[in-house]
Amino acid sequence: AQKVTQAQTEISVVEKEDVTLDCVYETRDTTYYLFWYKQPPSGELVFLIRRNSFDEQNEISGRYSWNFQKSTSSFNFTITASQVVDSAVYFCALGAAGNKLTFGGGTRVLVKP
Amino acid sequence: DAMVIQNPRYQVTQFGKPVTLSCSQTLNHNVMYWYQQKSSQAPKLLFHYYDKDFNNEADTPDNFQSRRPNTSFCFLDIRSPGLGDAAMYLCATSRPLSRGQYFGPGTRLTVT
Repeated sequence: AQKVTQAQTEISVVEKEDVTLDCVYETRDTTYYLFWYKQPPSGELVFLIRRNSFDEQNEISGRYSWNFQKSTSSFNFTITASQVVDSAVYFCALGAAGNKLTFGGGTRVLVKP
Repeated sequence: DAMVIQNPRYQVTQFGKPVTLSCSQTLNHNVMYWYQQKSSQAPKLLFHYYDKDFNNEADTPDNFQSRRPNTSFCFLDIRSPGLGDAAMYLCATSRPLSRGQYFGPGTRLTVT
């Protein structure tokens, strides 16, 4: 069975602070995919990044960066120099066989001006 | 732009009155999904279509049904909505899953 745990339910920061969101996953599949989604107050889930289980290369995209460590089954996400527009709920998700995603519980990020 | 479209964005229905939510896509993806998301919770998969093959989740109530008449459209039918069915309903598409699922803006359903 697949499981995704986001231990942080809510994080509050002041603008320009860095924010790191933790994600730990469990799967018995050897091939799987990891995703981060952002859900702003409007409700739409916005796709941010995907990683497959064979690609442990970390990535930086603008103010976003991701740290995938297979040894610890973690796929953490960092927002550098946070902005008010980053306020949203962020979901980590695991995809394996069967075309289905398993979502974590989400982390609400509140960036105060 | 290629996208996933959901109509309506807001739907109010009465207790027990059937309601249909619609989803269309211009991405030409062969997999389409319906999720239910209640406040402060993660999306919960109700069912998905792989082409015309329907895959129901084991815990999806019989009250929820779906139709996919063609690649572009998928419908969610709630036969007898209860107060507990009030939620955001999200449609998503993918091809293949390795490239992620792409979500529509959702339909917020209110049951009075």
